[in-house]
Parts: sequence; C-alpha cells; structure tokens
Amino acid sequence: EPEVTQTPSHQVTQMGQEVILRCVPISNHLYFYWYRQILGQKVEFLVSFYNNEISEKSEIFDDQFSVERPDGSNFTLKIRSTKLEDSAMYFCASSALGGFLMNTEAFFGQGTRLTVV
Amino acid sequence: SQKIEQNSEALNIQEGKTATLTCNYTNYSPAYLQWYRQDPGRGPVFLLLIRENEKEKRKERLKVTFDTTLKQSLFHITASQPADSATYLCALVGGNKLVFGAGTILRVKS
Repeated sequence: EPEVTQTPSHQVTQMGQEVILRCVPISNHLYFYWYRQILGQKVEFLVSFYNNEISEKSEIFDDQFSVERPDGSNFTLKIRSTKLEDSAMYFCASSALGGFLMNTEAFFGQGTRLTVV
Repeated sequence: SQKIEQNSEALNIQEGKTATLTCNYTNYSPAYLQWYRQDPGRGPVFLLLIRENEKEKRKERLKVTFDTTLKQSLFHITASQPADSATYLCALVGGNKLVFGAGTILRVKS
C-alpha cells in the first residue's frame, strides 16, 4: 500500500540552527501539506503546496519557514533559525488530484519529532 | 471565528459496547466532513468521509452521521475492542486545507 514517508523520525537541534525535514509523498498525489502537533495539543495546519507554489499558509508559517519540492519525489520543510517553541511533531501529508476540493482524504506520514534545545 | 469542538474528556467504555464521539462546528458550511484515528506518536489515519447530502455512512463497525442543521457529526464504533483505543479526530475543509478538532481519546477496557 502506498504511503507517505518522512525522515528523520527524530531530530534534536540547537536553538538558532537550521533544520530540514524531508517527506516523500505518495507518487501520484499533487497536493502536499505540512502540519505540526505540539505535545498534548491539536494537529495544526502549517502550509499547503500545489503546482510548485504555496496555496495557503497559516499564521504559524512565518518567514522562518519555507517549503520546497526540489525534485519529482521529495517535499521539504525548512526552519531557518529554530526556537524552543518549534519543538513539536511535524507531519507531512499528501492528497490526490483535486485535493480537498474534490472530497479527497489526506494521507499522513509518521512524523518527525523535532526537539529544540 | 471558525471552531471545531470535540469532547475534551476521554471516553472510557467497556469492550463490546458502542462508543459515540461528537464533533460540533461553528462558522463553517462544509461540503463534507472527515474522521481520522491517531495513535500516540503516529500520524492521523483516514477512516471515513461523509458528504453534506449523506445523513449516514457506514464502514464495517464504524458509522458516521452528519447533521448540517445542527452543525454536528456523530462517530460510532459498535462492538468496540481494546484495539480501538486511540484519539479520534474530526476534520473539516477550510480553504486549501483540512482543519482538525482537538480530538477525543477513546479507551476501551476488556
């Protein structure tokens, strides 16, 4: 069964350092997303991406964050200068043609646990 | 502002009973609503999608209802099992994204 894969599963970084979280979405999906979940809190939307550009972003997704689809398979989230409050589980997701406007479910990866110290 | 509310307290039930979870929303007019399951430390897993013109949807032991007048969805698990213990998330489409409720923890005791 196709799945979304994320690497690494756990990353520890020093405050102020840059991190890149990597995701391989399902191959025939065209819509990609990043969400985060702070321990004990809800799953929060960060950004959606389609046709090589951001289609929507939340208030959380400030100038410290960026996304990229560098090739035909990877989708990355970069945090330029990490803060303690960036510590969370980050989930990548993808959905098929039409995305949510076509009543499509999202497929989530297993997440990257980011710990900023 | 748009809100999605789910039971904040955990639901504890005995094995074999039916679990009923509630999702209420305000300031949305969703064309459809989704339910996901999340296990600790794992990503959400899609369970069911119900459209606004569907009153009820079933899949094996799962049943979802959708009342657009009450702005509420109910999620039922019949003949519950300990393996059903997890957090269940309600999700609505808002723009180009899914917006999740905080989820309800279900614990099924044997």
